[in-house]
Amino acid sequence: SQKIEQNSEALNIQEGKTATLTCNYTNYSPAYLQWYRQDPGRGPVFLLLIRENEKEKRKERLKVTFDTTLKQSLFHITASQPADSATYLCALDPSGNTPLVFGKGTRLSVIA
Amino acid sequence: NAGVMQNPRHLVRRRGQEARLRCSPMKGHSHVYWYRQLPEEGLKFMVYLQKENIIDESGMPKERFSAEFPKEGPSILRIQQVVRGDSAAYFCASSPSIGQGGNTGELFFGEGSRLTVL
Repeated sequence: SQKIEQNSEALNIQEGKTATLTCNYTNYSPAYLQWYRQDPGRGPVFLLLIRENEKEKRKERLKVTFDTTLKQSLFHITASQPADSATYLCALDPSGNTPLVFGKGTRLSVIA
Repeated sequence: NAGVMQNPRHLVRRRGQEARLRCSPMKGHSHVYWYRQLPEEGLKFMVYLQKENIIDESGMPKERFSAEFPKEGPSILRIQQVVRGDSAAYFCASSPSIGQGGNTGELFFGEGSRLTVL
């Protein structure tokens, strides 16, 4: 069956350290993968998109990698800050031109 | 430029009543998606609409749920004869027209409508 899994429900990290979140998928062949941030009581906000032919994408303190062989994406936040505390969702397009499928999310807490 | 607007933000209904959730997409966007989020669960796709057309409703329950996106006005998600299990946050998202087929870019989400069924 098709699955998209974010391995950690919750991740606690010390301020200043790098947070690494994992997204794995099975039985999908996505053309791209996206990451979103969701704060409590709010809607998700788009952060980054990475295509299947891209190994890595960066935006300020954020970095995303995409390994289509491992069927995995890693999401890194460097020099993490308490304001980075939120739930991070990965999402993929199952087969091109179809609505996004989301993982359950990882709740990140950055402790000062 | 206003974002995706959803209303009401909170809605309380008794079992058996109807719930209507509205979504106005971002200006210039003609693709609308509805997702449902249960506590501790991920976003589950429900339906994808373009103006006056339902493109994909594979995630919609077969009974009691319907959606529309008329030529004029907001998209509406309607839940008839609500039950306690319908209690959830319902999110609408939009994306711009990009030619044939669906979306290959980001989704812009509203803040959600939280339905509580008593």
